[in-house]
Amino acid sequence: DQQVKQNSPSLSVQEGRISILNCDYTNSMFDYFLWYKKYPAEGPTFLISISSIKDKNEDGRFTVFLNKSAKHLSLHIVPSQPGDSAVYFCAASERNTPLVFGKGTRLSVIA
Amino acid sequence: NAGVTQTPKFQVLKTGQSMTLQCAQDMNHNSMYWYRQDPGMGLRLIYYSASEGTTDKGEVPNGYNVSRLNKREFSLRLESAAPSQTSVYFCASSDAGMDQPQHFGDGTRLSIL
Repeated sequence: DQQVKQNSPSLSVQEGRISILNCDYTNSMFDYFLWYKKYPAEGPTFLISISSIKDKNEDGRFTVFLNKSAKHLSLHIVPSQPGDSAVYFCAASERNTPLVFGKGTRLSVIA
Repeated sequence: NAGVTQTPKFQVLKTGQSMTLQCAQDMNHNSMYWYRQDPGMGLRLIYYSASEGTTDKGEVPNGYNVSRLNKREFSLRLESAAPSQTSVYFCASSDAGMDQPQHFGDGTRLSIL
C-alpha cells in the first residue's frame, strides 16, 4: 500500500510561470513532510519541509502548502526557471521513523 | 565538505556474484540509510541504522545485508546478486532523528547480468 502518492509522473511549465507539484498521503500519523529535488546522476537534495502544525512554509521561490484534512500537500515554484527542471520527490514521516517517499514527478521548465 | 561518499559509482556483476557497496559520511550524523531507485518506483528503503550499533529492515530488505562499521560508515552487501537487484543505490544520513532531512550520496549504478 503506497502511503505517499505523487499521481503526476511529469509536468511541463513555461519559464516564468508557476509550477505546482502535488502529493497525497494516507497515513494520518505523518507529522513531517519534505520535498527533495533530484538532477540526473546526482543524489536527491533537500528542498523544503513543513511540520503538521503549520499549513504553509515559504523559502524564496518555493512554498509548500499542507492541507491535513485532505491529506494533501503541494509545492509551488514561482517563478519557474529552466534550472528547476528535475525530478521532485515528496516524503513524509511519523516522529523518529524513516521517511517514506513518493515515486516522484519530473518537472520540465521550458524556456 | 564531502558530505556522503559512495563507492563505487558504477559496477557490473554477474548473477550469483557478491558485492559490497560502501558509504561514508563526514557530518557526524547518527542515522544512515540505504535506498534503491528503480524507474517508476521512487526511492525505496532497504535498511537503515538509527544509531551506531543498530540496524533495521526497511521496505525491501530481501537479498541484502548491512553493517554499521562505525558512526561514519554503513555498507550494503549483496551476497548472491540477482538481475532483479539491478538498480541505482543511494546512501543517506541524517542528524537528530530519522524524520529529519537526509543528505544523500550521488549513488551507485549497479547492473547485474
